[in-house]
Amino acid sequence: DTGVSQDPRHKITKRGQNVTFRCDPISEHNRLYWYRQTLGQGPEFLTYFQNEAQLEKSRLLSDRFSAERPKGSFSTLEIQRTEQGDSAMYLCVSTPRGRGRNQPQHFGDGTRLSIL
Amino acid sequence: DQQVKQNSPSLSVQEGRISILNCDYTNSMFDYFLWYKKYPAEGPTFLISISSIKDKNEDGRFTVFLNKSAKHLSLHIVPSQPGDSAVYFCAASAGGGTSYGKLTFGQGTILTVHP
Repeated sequence: DTGVSQDPRHKITKRGQNVTFRCDPISEHNRLYWYRQTLGQGPEFLTYFQNEAQLEKSRLLSDRFSAERPKGSFSTLEIQRTEQGDSAMYLCVSTPRGRGRNQPQHFGDGTRLSIL
Repeated sequence: DQQVKQNSPSLSVQEGRISILNCDYTNSMFDYFLWYKKYPAEGPTFLISISSIKDKNEDGRFTVFLNKSAKHLSLHIVPSQPGDSAVYFCAASAGGGTSYGKLTFGQGTILTVHP
């Protein structure tokens, strides 16, 4: 499968614990986004990378959240001291290089985080 | 504030009939619009898009209409098939800035197509 891969698919943890998710984008895709989707809502933008540079962070991304893309390939999203409100589906998206901004966007199947 | 709204949480349609899903937006900077389809336990998949310089785009059974003055777009599926049953998300993108390609999504509409 050469699509966007996210790991783990489901994470259950106790409130206050730290969690880390991984996203492997489609090879050669230089743009990578993280979104969060809560029940009954559409995905909400969290952050955006172009290669290894993090170019934008949403105000939804509190200080407890950090994202990295160290070599411009895979990305990690870490949440420290998890809270009940962090329970959501975390989606990773990659898009290919291209001059137009409206390049096809490929979503992963997401990591579902459940906070007990 | 909800810049992209899908006011119908659900829609039920008979197989073979037309499905019409609606979406409204408030941000005048949006100039590119997309529809995504999502099955349970999967990520959204791209369906069809339209640029603000057009008012209609067709792809097989799917047609998207854009009314810029009303800040409204709709997705028509004709004929509807049971396999079309899914959650449909409307999304919008604004040009410029560093968030190249960032999407703002509506809340989604659950479409059920009955055989």
